[in-house]
Amino acid sequence: GENVEQHPSTLSVQEGDSAVIKCTYSDSASNYFPWYKQELGKRPQLIIDIRSNVGEKKDQRIAVTLNKTAKHFSLHITETQPEDSAVYFCAAPTTNTDKLIFGTGTRLQVFP
Amino acid sequence: KAGVTQTPRYLIKTRGQQVTLSCSPISGHRSVSWYQQTPGQGLQFLFEYFSETQRNKGNFPGRFSGRQFSNSRSEMNVSTLELGDSALYLCASSKAGGREQYFGPGTRLTVT
Repeated sequence: GENVEQHPSTLSVQEGDSAVIKCTYSDSASNYFPWYKQELGKRPQLIIDIRSNVGEKKDQRIAVTLNKTAKHFSLHITETQPEDSAVYFCAAPTTNTDKLIFGTGTRLQVFP
Repeated sequence: KAGVTQTPRYLIKTRGQQVTLSCSPISGHRSVSWYQQTPGQGLQFLFEYFSETQRNKGNFPGRFSGRQFSNSRSEMNVSTLELGDSALYLCASSKAGGREQYFGPGTRLTVT
């Protein structure tokens, strides 16, 4: 069935370091891969997404890479700041639907 | 534009009761999806509505149901509540044909 695996479940980094979160998906027809950031007590916020026709997308300090052959995609955060501390979720849709399957989340802690 | 809104924000019910949660999407968005978020299971897809029709359904028992009105507002209902139904219920809206989903603040349901 549809599945999205996300690693690691927790990640601690020093301020200024980079953080990488990886997700793998099972549905080879998936063509849209969003990343959400959820701060404590708040709603998930869409921070970046990538479609299957590109291999990388950047937005300031965050970037997402996609490897369709291996069926995995990654979130990269450079020059991390304490306000990056949150839970990050990846997701992928099932074939030809808007039904998103979410990864189990990564709790990122950035220490000053 | 106003964001996705959900009411009520907090709810306490007892086992066996039923509950109705409401979601108002972003103006112009016609698709509404519902998710259950728990610490142990992450974000689980419940169902998606588009133009008053259920388009996709997750793996939840029949006690969970929903509907969408002509103005795109959506409600979900949970009957015969169980302790395990305690969770944060999030709805997300998207444009017709769009993949980006925007979440509401959620309704935190506690079943005692």
